[in-house]
Amino acid sequence: DAGITQSPRHKVTETGTPVTLRCHQTENHRYMYWYRQDPGHGLRLIHYSYGVKDTDKGEVSDGYSVSRSKTEDFLLTLESATSSQTSVYFCAILAGNKNTEAFFGQGTRLTVV
Amino acid sequence: AQSVTQLGSHVSVSEGALVLLRCNYSSSVPPYLFWYVQYPNQGLQLLLKYTSAATLVKGINGFEAEFKKSETSFHLTKPSAHMSDAAEYFCAVSTPDSNYQLIWGAGTKLIIKP
Repeated sequence: DAGITQSPRHKVTETGTPVTLRCHQTENHRYMYWYRQDPGHGLRLIHYSYGVKDTDKGEVSDGYSVSRSKTEDFLLTLESATSSQTSVYFCAILAGNKNTEAFFGQGTRLTVV
Repeated sequence: AQSVTQLGSHVSVSEGALVLLRCNYSSSVPPYLFWYVQYPNQGLQLLLKYTSAATLVKGINGFEAEFKKSETSFHLTKPSAHMSDAAEYFCAVSTPDSNYQLIWGAGTKLIIKP
């Protein structure tokens, strides 16, 4: 267990509203990632971070922004939620030998209506 | 650039039968390879990994995988399936020159028939 907590675990929101998902870790890991998981697509990387205020885009970053003002928190914001952003969102950190192993949070199920 | 292909979005086996989940990768440099398992409504957890040591890797729950460079494969096997093995399995690759960022396969859902 790498001490990763995602909140909220479930959320229903309306189209056009902003939404922020939080990922919190307790072990000072440098690398943090946000993925979305959709049937038939596996895991797709949204944004990632290599440290405080050091973030970069993944393959499906449009419509999402992130912030990392503290090592332990990595926030994912949907600026104006759309139905296509209905998904399960996972936060992950890299740890283990040479920081090669990913450890995941329990996920956030987001529904945009 | 790296890529991962998992053959078969669904694999169905009988309880007690051999489990074989296929993973092929593409990488221009020696890769690190991983299998993760996801049980319903949970996050992913590491099953096993290959990081350039022994080519036959043993993981949790009786699973193992063999790295075959000539075939660019890292197939996951288990001699005898249990009902509790029903889950989705993901293969992933990373390399040092990509900061170990994981590239994921699309996943294979393993169905166990009683």
